[in-house]
Amino acid sequence: QSVLTQPPSVSGAPGQSVTISCTGSRSNIGAGYNVHWYQQLPGEAPKLLIFADTNRPSGVPDRFSGSKSGNSASLIITGLQAEDEADYYCQSYDNRPNWVFGGGTKLTVL
Amino acid sequence: QLQLQESGPGLVKPSETLSLTCTVSGVSISNNNYYWAWIRQPPGKGLEWIGTIYSSGTTYDSPSLKTRVSLSLDTSMNHLSLRLNSVTVADTAVYYCAAQRNLFGEPQPWGQGTLVTVSS
Repeated sequence: QSVLTQPPSVSGAPGQSVTISCTGSRSNIGAGYNVHWYQQLPGEAPKLLIFADTNRPSGVPDRFSGSKSGNSASLIITGLQAEDEADYYCQSYDNRPNWVFGGGTKLTVL
Repeated sequence: QLQLQESGPGLVKPSETLSLTCTVSGVSISNNNYYWAWIRQPPGKGLEWIGTIYSSGTTYDSPSLKTRVSLSLDTSMNHLSLRLNSVTVADTAVYYCAAQRNLFGEPQPWGQGTLVTVSS
């Protein structure tokens, strides 16, 4: 049982947009701790996609964006492409400071 | 350029101790600007944080693993070490190390990961 809750799967057609939600509580996301998002392709290490709620590392396309409100955060992917098919994880912290993860969301590009 | 590489035995017997190394290149691990984290991922499952160690040696351990985990730094070899004792099949996972510039900052980069299988 993950501390952060993500939908197990989402899907969308090429060119469409999808949103992946990440719901926590007042002890993690709601406490204001950073939320990071990772993309994991099969057989590869997680790749940082969004950091500190809304920031993109160098090299990440601007099709990927993040938002946060209250106890939840979202990853928004616009202009879906076949290579976006992957697992996506959100991560935040509690006040210890332990890392907490979502259970992951599998994105299927139809 | 900062790079991390995990290494260690790929097979460990139940009840024994798992020992892994994360070799860091591009920065000294005694640099006070970095925290070093360990994360694992069982096959087909999600990510789990194991713990974080600061350059001073201060550690932050996952509550679910803290009784079995030991994190350390070897500044002469510029690598991090993870020891997990009394392993069971549930500890079978890909183990990753990652760097952070501050305790709540973005974990970047990550190592490529190393698979450890617990089996007799």
